Amino acid sequence: GAVVSQHPSRVICKSGTSVKIECRSLDFQATTMFWYRQFPKKSLMLMATSNEGSKATYEQGVEKDKFLINHASLTLSTLTVTSAHPEDSSFYICSARVGSRNEQFFGPGTRLTVL
Amino acid sequence: DAKTTQPPSMDCAEGRAANLPCNHSTISGNEYVYWYRQIHSQGPQYIIHGLKNNETNEMASLIITEDRKSSTLILPHATLRDTAVYYCIVGEGAQKLVFGQGTRLTINP
Repeated sequence: GAVVSQHPSRVICKSGTSVKIECRSLDFQATTMFWYRQFPKKSLMLMATSNEGSKATYEQGVEKDKFLINHASLTLSTLTVTSAHPEDSSFYICSARVGSRNEQFFGPGTRLTVL
Repeated sequence: DAKTTQPPSMDCAEGRAANLPCNHSTISGNEYVYWYRQIHSQGPQYIIHGLKNNETNEMASLIITEDRKSSTLILPHATLRDTAVYYCIVGEGAQKLVFGQGTRLTINP
């Protein structure tokens, strides 16, 4: 299957700082990428849909000014958690849709810990 | 909300076939059935998907009932490494996937 990478895999930051997470499709072009968040022992919750060259579409209850998403190229989407607080600590996972195929492939996830 | 219903947990003996059921009675005509699994602290791994016909790949088989209201994922010879949470999702491929709670499958030696 197609490969999606995320960087960093793990990050620890102080409260109030901003953290950027990168999601890359390594061997295909992704016109659409998705960002999820997963709390311990819970399922994945979709945060937003990111389309290359346009503004992201956020799910209800997700603050767009806090979770900035940029999809500047067909292989890269970034999620920036601004002014992070301990309650933002979570496992953030991206996925990418393979062009004409009805499949989505997921990255390995980024574990964010805010102290 | 997720459109699927799965048992919260299942056990299977190593070497046996693991059959994971999923109900999706409100599936629409253009929605696919997707199966993913998530091993602890990793991103979900794509397993298989189908629309109407049964599908098989190197990982698993997907059996979809004729009325498409339910399906079964079959892992033919389960190994300890197949222990994971398995998610059955219905949706259109180009659209977002809504995850339910999945089935926690434990393979026992």
